[in-house]
Amino acid sequence: NAGVTQTPKFQVLKTGQSMTLQCAQDMNHEYMSWYRQDPGMGLRLIHYSVGAGITDQGEVPNGYNVSRSTTEDFPLRLLSAAPSQTSVYFCASSYLGQGKRNEQFFGPGTRLTVL
Amino acid sequence: KQEVTQIPAALSVPEGENLVLNCSFTDSAIYNLQWFRQDPGKGLTSLLLIQSSQREQTSGRLNASLDKSSGRSTLYIAASQPGDSATYLCAVNAETSGSRLTFGEGTQLTVNP
Repeated sequence: NAGVTQTPKFQVLKTGQSMTLQCAQDMNHEYMSWYRQDPGMGLRLIHYSVGAGITDQGEVPNGYNVSRSTTEDFPLRLLSAAPSQTSVYFCASSYLGQGKRNEQFFGPGTRLTVL
Repeated sequence: KQEVTQIPAALSVPEGENLVLNCSFTDSAIYNLQWFRQDPGKGLTSLLLIQSSQREQTSGRLNASLDKSSGRSTLYIAASQPGDSATYLCAVNAETSGSRLTFGEGTQLTVNP
């Protein structure tokens, strides 16, 4: 299993540009989520999904869109990049439910700089 | 709103020492608590998951305990090694949050040879 994969690893954007961060998992997990990690603020949830066709907002959703057309993929779209979106972005996945099945696995991250 | 606190923020110890990292959370209604390791510039690696019905979980030199009623978890690392140097994060899955995790800010551990 490749686990959770993310592309690209690094990206530099100019203010106002749009882009899509890719996330895929091969574990047949129902739950997928996106976090951003910033110094002094920890990891904050942007959007999440409990299955294909179902998405919801997390703690910091403004400026980001998501969709979930398949179980495997959960892309994150930046509509009009702003310097405040400079961050490291992590995708995670897990089975739904309680107990050990709920263990979450993270991708390697995408380091985004917005100039 | 669930809040997760990790103390200390940074810790430096000599190789071979046993150490304890602390995590506290404000809402005791949780499904589970997960400990992660993060190396500089890397993603998060899951170390241990403790279910709400468990008191502790062990993996090699790591032992995590959970006291749900007092809102506390500890991660015990035995016989620390320089390769243990990393940031350790705890995350709580609250009963009201589905599978959404709330993270602490982490403890940055340095093990000196």
